[in-house]
Amino acid sequence: AQKITQTQPGMFVQEKEAVTLDCTYDTSDQSYGLFWYKQPSSGEMIFLIYQGSYDEQNATEGRYSLNFQKARKSANLVISASQLGDSAMYFCAMRDYNYGQNFVFGPGTRLSVLP
Amino acid sequence: DTGVSQNPRHKITKRGQNVTFRCDPISEHNRLYWYRQTLGQGPEFLTYFQNEAQLEKSRLLSDRFSAERPKGSFSTLEIQRTEQGDSAMYLCASSLVDGESSYNEQFFGPGTRLTVL
Repeated sequence: AQKITQTQPGMFVQEKEAVTLDCTYDTSDQSYGLFWYKQPSSGEMIFLIYQGSYDEQNATEGRYSLNFQKARKSANLVISASQLGDSAMYFCAMRDYNYGQNFVFGPGTRLSVLP
Repeated sequence: DTGVSQNPRHKITKRGQNVTFRCDPISEHNRLYWYRQTLGQGPEFLTYFQNEAQLEKSRLLSDRFSAERPKGSFSTLEIQRTEQGDSAMYLCASSLVDGESSYNEQFFGPGTRLTVL
């Protein structure tokens, strides 16, 4: 069965520093997509970045980059130059094509950016 | 386009009552998803529609839950005989899927927070 693990319930980072949020996943399929979403206190899920299982390059979107290590089944999110507005819950999710169209989400990591 | 909208944003009800939530997806999106999120957890998939057809339902979707998307546009999620365990945030998401690929960015609405007393 699909499973997403995020081992860091909470993380603190100083403003302007970089932070890595961990995500490991479990799937037996070769074709899947990995996503990161941000959920601020307002509740809305905001898409950040995507990595396909066949993508050879690590995905980057502005200050967000994804450290994809397929053999280790990890897809860590790196946020560079943290800003106070980055304080939120961060969810790693996977869409495994052979298991249908839904996403499986991890339990999330709460990131707090300190001034 | 104003994104995915959900109504109401908050709903408080007494145990045993029926409740209905509405989701309006992004207009050109053909897929619509419902998720449930309890405090401190990630969203859990409930069901999804491709246009008006309900193609997949989670085991989480008990007989008390029913979802419809009658014209392939907005969707409703009804919970009958609510229980305290139904208290959660109900999230709707939509996506435009053209062909089959693992990339399927879902755009989420703000959610409906249900409290069952």
